[in-house]
Parts: sequence; structure tokens; C-alpha cells
Amino acid sequence: GQQVMQIPQYQHVQEGEDFTTYCNSSTTLSNIQWYKQRPGGHPVFLIQLVKSGEVKKQKRLTFQFGEAKKNSSLHITATQTTDVGTYFCAGPPAAGNKLTFGGGTRVLVKP
Amino acid sequence: NAGVTQTPKFQVLKTGQSMTLQCAQDMNHEYMSWYRQDPGMGLRLIHYSVGAGITDQGEVPNGYNVSRSTTEDFPLRLLSAAPSQTSVYFCASSYATPSGANVLTFGAGSRLTVL
Repeated sequence: GQQVMQIPQYQHVQEGEDFTTYCNSSTTLSNIQWYKQRPGGHPVFLIQLVKSGEVKKQKRLTFQFGEAKKNSSLHITATQTTDVGTYFCAGPPAAGNKLTFGGGTRVLVKP
Repeated sequence: NAGVTQTPKFQVLKTGQSMTLQCAQDMNHEYMSWYRQDPGMGLRLIHYSVGAGITDQGEVPNGYNVSRSTTEDFPLRLLSAAPSQTSVYFCASSYATPSGANVLTFGAGSRLTVL
């Protein structure tokens, strides 16, 4: 079945630094979605990318969808303590409805 | 507009007991799903439904039943609880779109402990 992998599993970042987390699917995706889960909370939708090679920005967050629609990345610049949480990528296969999540990247920020 | 409502928020069961986790949404979403979240395992799909009367299995369906008699409700039944089912359960819903977007709105979660 479809597998979605995220690396790294944990990311310790100094406040003010940049970092990138990566998402890779075993199958071609119809789209990629990113969610953020704060500690003790539930996942909240951040963004969806649909087109091959698409890049979208939300303030300090930059999301990219790979040309083959099998991978994606999230880059955060000038990390802040409000960025703490777990970031999940998720995608339905090109044919199907199941939304498979990656294992998440847990972000910890050192002030 | 409450979004996705899950009850109960917390539950402790003994091995072998049965129970139902409730999920209701008021957004008229066709698609509803149940995930479980375990430390280091991300979110794993248990069951999902693309509309009333239609359900299908996800990655980890064993030990769970679902039904979808209305658009609004999607209960998850644990038939005979086992310690391996100790987890946080999330219900999520979305519109079904031609692109299969399925951008999910999650409930607050139900934390289940099986002793």
C-alpha cells in the first residue's frame, strides 16, 4: 500500500534559525497537504499543493511540491517559539480517496 | 457552527469491554474518517466513508467497526477492547472534490486507555 515518509522525525532548532522538513510518498499523489499539530491539540490544515512543481508561501513558511508529485518540503525561516509542534504531510494517491499521513516532524525550538 | 465534535474526550476501559466513540459534523461534509495516533507512528487511517451508507477500511481496521447512517454522524465501535487499542482517536471530515482534495477538519480527539 501507499507509504508516506517524513524526515527528520525530530528537529531541534535554535530560535531565529531556518530548517526544512521533507515528505516522500511511495506513490504519485493527486495533491499534498500539510497539517500542524500543537502539543496536546489536534491537526490543523495549513496548505494544499496540487500542481507539479508548485510553490506556496505562508509568511515564514514555504511549501513545495515535487515535479513527480511524489515528494514535498516545508521550509521555515527565522523559527519562532510559536512554530513548536508536529508537522504532518498527507496525500491521497492519484486514484483513490484514502488520505495517508506521514509520521510527522516534531519541531522543538530553543530560545 | 461547531465543526467536528467527538465524544467522549477521555475513556478508560477494561480489556474485553466494548464502546462507541461518537463523531458528528455540521458542515455537510460527504467524507468522514477515523484515525488513531500513537507516539512515533503518526496518524493511521482506521475506516473512512465517502457518504451515507458507504464505508471502507483504512490501514488498521481490525477490531473496529463503523457505520454511516446519516451524513452527520460516523461512530467508531470497539468490539472487544484490547490494550493495543490504547491511543488517541481523531475523527475528521471534508468535502469530496473532483480532485480528491479531501482537506480535513479534525475533531479535538478522544483519548482511550485500555487496561
